[in-house]
Amino acid sequence: KAGVTQTPRYLIKTRGQQVTLSCSPISGHRSVSWYQQTPGQGLQFLFEYFSETQRNKGNFPGRFSGRQFSNSRSEMNVSTLELGDSALYLCASSLGTGWTGELFFGEGSRLTVL
Amino acid sequence: SQQGEEDPQALSIQEGENATMNCSYKTSINNLQWYRQNSGRGLVHLILIRSNEREKHSGRLRVTLDTSKKSSSLLITASRAADTASYFCATHWSNYQLIWGAGTKLIIKP
Repeated sequence: KAGVTQTPRYLIKTRGQQVTLSCSPISGHRSVSWYQQTPGQGLQFLFEYFSETQRNKGNFPGRFSGRQFSNSRSEMNVSTLELGDSALYLCASSLGTGWTGELFFGEGSRLTVL
Repeated sequence: SQQGEEDPQALSIQEGENATMNCSYKTSINNLQWYRQNSGRGLVHLILIRSNEREKHSGRLRVTLDTSKKSSSLLITASRAADTASYFCATHWSNYQLIWGAGTKLIIKP
């Protein structure tokens, strides 16, 4: 069974630009969560989608948004990029029902904002 | 915000020795999980222990949970170079999200 796939793996943007990251969950998983990881703040929860609905949202500004498609694939978008948005963005999938909490992570998308 | 706190923040030991890292949390939990992250990569689920369990084993891993002290420990026995990684605890409380600790960076010296 294929794992969680995130694209792109690396990207460089400049301040003010926007970026879209993609995540394909494990087949059969209906929940996708997004995390931001930085050396200073650690692993921070962004949002979680289940069956195309945002089920939970972390404490991030509105510049951070996401969506989930009917095939469970998910995208997150960051608009008006700031230097502080440089981070490893991790996507994780889970079954989503009868959830015990176990997450399956992708390799991440490393964003550098110049 | 993070609920879990790992201790120590960094740990360096010789190959073959045992490594112990601890996690403390603040509220009631359904379960607690440990994950490993190799440098710059995604996290890998190691083990899940439910709130009504006190100890769990998986290969060279042993996890304990003390809900009265709101703490958990992860023991890696007979460490190997491949165990070099960061280890995170995550608590599952409710509302479909996990609360993460800051991680323990483990270095295994050959």
